[in-house]
Amino acid sequence: EVQLAESGGVLVKPGGSLRLSCAASGFTFNSAWMSWVRQGPGKGLEWVGRINPKAGGERADYAALVRGRFIISRDDSQSTVYLQMNNLEIEDTAVYYCTTYGSGSFMAWGQGTLVTVSS
Amino acid sequence: QSALTQPPSASGSPGQSVTISCTGTSSDVGGYNFVSWYQQHPGKAPKLMIYEVIKRPSGVPDRFSGSKSGTTASLTVSGLQAEDEADYYCCSYAGNRLIFGGGTKLTVL
Repeated sequence: EVQLAESGGVLVKPGGSLRLSCAASGFTFNSAWMSWVRQGPGKGLEWVGRINPKAGGERADYAALVRGRFIISRDDSQSTVYLQMNNLEIEDTAVYYCTTYGSGSFMAWGQGTLVTVSS
Repeated sequence: QSALTQPPSASGSPGQSVTISCTGTSSDVGGYNFVSWYQQHPGKAPKLMIYEVIKRPSGVPDRFSGSKSGTTASLTVSGLQAEDEADYYCCSYAGNRLIFGGGTKLTVL
């Protein structure tokens, strides 16, 4: 059974940084595309970015709203994907979901972790 | 990057069918057969219901079906059941990015 467990969501001040983690199990992680999707309070789903399983080169794509501030990385030895969020804005407040990605879709989802950006 | 357009709400009685539309452009929905649909119950994570326009993941009832014509994709739920009441989101690949619709709240009357 595919399992994804996000962690790291906390209250952070505007301009601050935060790293989310997603521990994966139940599938071959090192050959899997992974993605992050977020959902603001009372709002719809928003794609954040994705990372491919290939080593070297440019491995991640990002939504325009987070490009240059957020970085997705992975540690295949730990079956973990990360979301480094820098220069956080109030509008980044959301539940952040880790997902597997394939065939243009988000197949399995974690339970989400809440990030609150507030002064 | 504009969201795909979905109606904010839809409704139907138990046993009836309801169709939810998702309108994009030739750069997303119309340009790729990578449209997916997600069901989300309150306080829960979304669940993949349809991928690649028409395909159902294992375990999703065949009451759920997808289609596409031009720049508009659709999700049809047949034989509505109480547990189908949820928010539904469409999503399309758009060339190195993914775009969601604004979501549709489906009410089972």
